[in-house]
Amino acid sequence: GAVVSQHPSWVICKSGTSVKIECRSLDFQATTMFWYRQFPKQSLMLMATSNEGSKATYEQGVEKDKFLINHASLTLSTLTVTSAHPEDSSFYICSARVPQGTNTEAFFGQGTRLTVV
Amino acid sequence: DAKTTQPPSMDCAEGRAANLPCNHSTISGNEYVYWYRQIHSQGPQYIIHGLKNNETNEMASLIITEDRKSSTLILPHATLRDTAVYYCIVRPLLGAANAGKSTFGDGTTLTVKP
Repeated sequence: GAVVSQHPSWVICKSGTSVKIECRSLDFQATTMFWYRQFPKQSLMLMATSNEGSKATYEQGVEKDKFLINHASLTLSTLTVTSAHPEDSSFYICSARVPQGTNTEAFFGQGTRLTVV
Repeated sequence: DAKTTQPPSMDCAEGRAANLPCNHSTISGNEYVYWYRQIHSQGPQYIIHGLKNNETNEMASLIITEDRKSSTLILPHATLRDTAVYYCIVRPLLGAANAGKSTFGDGTTLTVKP
């Protein structure tokens, strides 16, 4: 099946710094990728939809200036958490849409655990 | 996306079938039912999906009621490694503007016991 890879798997950063998370589709081209955030013992919450070559679409309540998304190629989307604070500590997960057959499938990366200290 | 409701938790004995229910009473005609699972600290793993017919693959079976308002995921012979949170999601078809976008509910925590 299609593979989506995230890097890094985990990262610890100091408060006030920025962190970049990469999401790659390894064996297919993804015009659309999705970014989710998951706090402990909670479900995944969609943050934004990343479209190749255009601006991302953010969900209500997600600060676009804080969570910068770039989807410059058909195989790579990046999420940059700017001026990170401890409350940004979370599990960030991306998924990529695979258009095939009569339906789209979405495969998920393994997630990135961000800890802001 | 249509809202789904699932029981918060279930237990299953190892080797037995695990039947996980999901209600999606507001599902619309162009939406598929998808099941994913998430093992602790990993990304969600695709299990199976269907529109109205029952589906089976190497991981599980999906039974969808005739009115499509509910479905059941069946793991025929649960193992300890099947312990995870299982999410039932309904999602529109290819071509829809938000196709591929998943709205996750709280899921069902399945615990497989020896």
